[in-house]
Amino acid sequence: NSKVIQTPRYLVKGQGQKAKMRCIPEKGHPVVFWYQQNKNNEFKFLINFQNQEVLQQIDMTEKRFSAECPSNSPCSLEIQSSEAGDSALYLCASSLEGSAETLYFGSGTRLTVL
Amino acid sequence: QQQVRQSPQSLTVWEGETAILNCSYEDSTFDYFPWYWQFPRESPALLIAIRPVSNKKEDGRFTIFFNKREKKLSLHITDSQPGDSATYFCAANTGGLSGKLTFGEGTQVTVIS
Repeated sequence: NSKVIQTPRYLVKGQGQKAKMRCIPEKGHPVVFWYQQNKNNEFKFLINFQNQEVLQQIDMTEKRFSAECPSNSPCSLEIQSSEAGDSALYLCASSLEGSAETLYFGSGTRLTVL
Repeated sequence: QQQVRQSPQSLTVWEGETAILNCSYEDSTFDYFPWYWQFPRESPALLIAIRPVSNKKEDGRFTIFFNKREKKLSLHITDSQPGDSATYFCAANTGGLSGKLTFGEGTQVTVIS
C-alpha cells in the first residue's frame, strides 16, 4: 500500500475557480513529483521538488499552476484558474533518490472542471 | 514528440497464455526502464525494472527483454492470470539529480478465464 497520501480524492470546480490539492510524501523521501494523467492514460510531468526546491517544471506549470513543498507541511499543487482541459487525475509521487528511479505514487486527486 | 512508445494499445489473452507487451524509445541517454501497472481506480505501482547493462530481467512470471541496439524492450507475462488484468506502462529515465520518468501510452491487458 502506498504511503504517499493525497487529498482530496475527488475535486470538482467551475471554470475559473482555484483548485488545490495536497500531498504528503513517504517519510524520508526528499523528492516529490507531480504528474497529470488524462482520460487517455497519458502522463504529463508537471513539476518536481527536492526538499523545498524546484528541480524542474514545465511551462504550463510556471504559468497557471503553483506548487510548493514547505518543510514540515504537505506539498501542494494549485491551479489558479481552472479550465475544462485541466480535468484529469493528478498524481503525486515521491522518491528516495533524486533520479526518480522508483516512484511511489499516491492514490491521486481526480479533478473535474465543469 | 512521444519519447516512449508502447504497443499494442490493448491486448486480450486467455488465462495461462503468455502476454507480450512492446515498448520502444527514442532517447539513447535513457538508462533505466521501469514498468508500472495500474489497476482501475488505483494509482500506478512499480512492477519490474531493468538497466541497459542487462538484456533480461526476470521476476516470477514477469520478464523484461531488452535490446539496446534497437532501442526496444518487451514485457512478457507468462501463465497470465485474471488478476494480471491492468494497464501496463513502460517508462524511461535518464537519471541524474533532476531526472524524471517519461511514460509510454500504456497497454491495457485483459486476461480471460
